[in-house]
Amino acid sequence: DTGVSQNPRHKITKRGQNVTFRCDPISEHNRLYWYRQTLGQGPEFLTYFQNEAQLEKSRLLSDRFSAERPKGSFSTLEIQRTEQGDSAMYLCASSLRPQETQYFGPGTRLLVL
Amino acid sequence: AQSVTQPDIHITVSEGASLELRCNYSYGATPYLFWYVQSPGQGLQLLLKYFSGDTLVQGIKGFEAEFKRSQSSFNLRKPSVHWSDAAEYFCALYPDSNYQLIWGAGTKLIIKP
Repeated sequence: DTGVSQNPRHKITKRGQNVTFRCDPISEHNRLYWYRQTLGQGPEFLTYFQNEAQLEKSRLLSDRFSAERPKGSFSTLEIQRTEQGDSAMYLCASSLRPQETQYFGPGTRLLVL
Repeated sequence: AQSVTQPDIHITVSEGASLELRCNYSYGATPYLFWYVQSPGQGLQLLLKYFSGDTLVQGIKGFEAEFKRSQSSFNLRKPSVHWSDAAEYFCALYPDSNYQLIWGAGTKLIIKP
């Protein structure tokens, strides 16, 4: 068990470009979560998967954001037409069952210029 | 409404001194409560959790927390801090939904030599 991993760790992009992040959860965990965190704030929920099914998506999430978990293992988060306001740390977490501990990856820090 | 409040944005403590970080919650039933720690540029690491049972919970790195239903609090304590404890600390709870953690805004711990 190597924990939750995320790639890349850092991403710098120009406004208007598309970016994609990857999250590999702990292997036996079927629940996967994406959060966004800005400086001085707690994590903000983005979306949640149970196996390959995306069960919930935050109403704060614009249509430019999409997430997939095609085989119930790793997940990708894509941001289209990035804006400067998308600059943040994007965190992935996984858990074994509902209301059990969520284990976090190291995050992907995005900077949109 | 369900919420988590961490009243202190920053706390400065001398190395070797004791520490208490405050967390208050608003929730109708007994919540599942967590404390996470985040070092600069890193993901979130679980320190401890309370689900039920003994209200004094022991965690990693010498931390403990006490659940007090009458005060709606879950304060984090450590008898003697080390310089390596400098980080940001987040309190969180699971409300009725089974996936979306509700987070406090965090408390940044600064250690004076």
